[in-house]
Amino acid sequence: QKEVEQNSGPLSVPEGAIASLNCTYSDRVSQSFFWYRQYSGKSPELIMSIYSNGDKEDGRFTAQLNKASQYVSLLIRDSQPSDSATYLCAVISNSGYALNFGKGTSLLVTP
Amino acid sequence: SAVISQKPSRDICQRGTSLTIQCQVDSQVTMMFWYRQQPGQSLTLIATANQGSEATYESGFVIDKFPISRPNLTFSTLTVSNMSPEDSSIYLCSVALGPKGSYEQYFGPGTRLTVT
Repeated sequence: QKEVEQNSGPLSVPEGAIASLNCTYSDRVSQSFFWYRQYSGKSPELIMSIYSNGDKEDGRFTAQLNKASQYVSLLIRDSQPSDSATYLCAVISNSGYALNFGKGTSLLVTP
Repeated sequence: SAVISQKPSRDICQRGTSLTIQCQVDSQVTMMFWYRQQPGQSLTLIATANQGSEATYESGFVIDKFPISRPNLTFSTLTVSNMSPEDSSIYLCSVALGPKGSYEQYFGPGTRLTVT
């Protein structure tokens, strides 16, 4: 069973702080990594994709990938109350096309 | 990205009946997927639906329970058959866009199913 692990939280950060979300995966041949944001009652929204080691920045979001350690993280700078949601880490192994999701981390940004 | 719609957005059904969920995309896509999200849980892949071939089901999901059609590159249906309360979930379709090795998946708005 290929596992994707996330801390369920809730992770609480004050407005303006950096939120750090982490994810580990078990399949060493995984090649594609994604972060989705899901608001309550809504479908997942893709916010970041990363395919190679290192950092990838998009606005206030930075995804970090370390394949040797099998972890991927998401940093949210200048967190806003509107960032309060569940963040899902998803991984695709080299052998397939479908997403394998972690259970998600609930983020709460307090004013 | 793509614009993805699903019908119905929600439904309440009686046990033993069947419901067909439709997924429509505004562009032609090869790979479509159907996921289930049970209350308070993450997403679980039901099957991959590629046009021109039979759907590929994940472990724990069978064609008799979740028949899928993929008549063209913009449309797919998922039927939940002989429903029981345990089938109460959100059902989501997704599409994969981009080249192999770096494609991304986008989700429809979901169908919230309650079985009584």
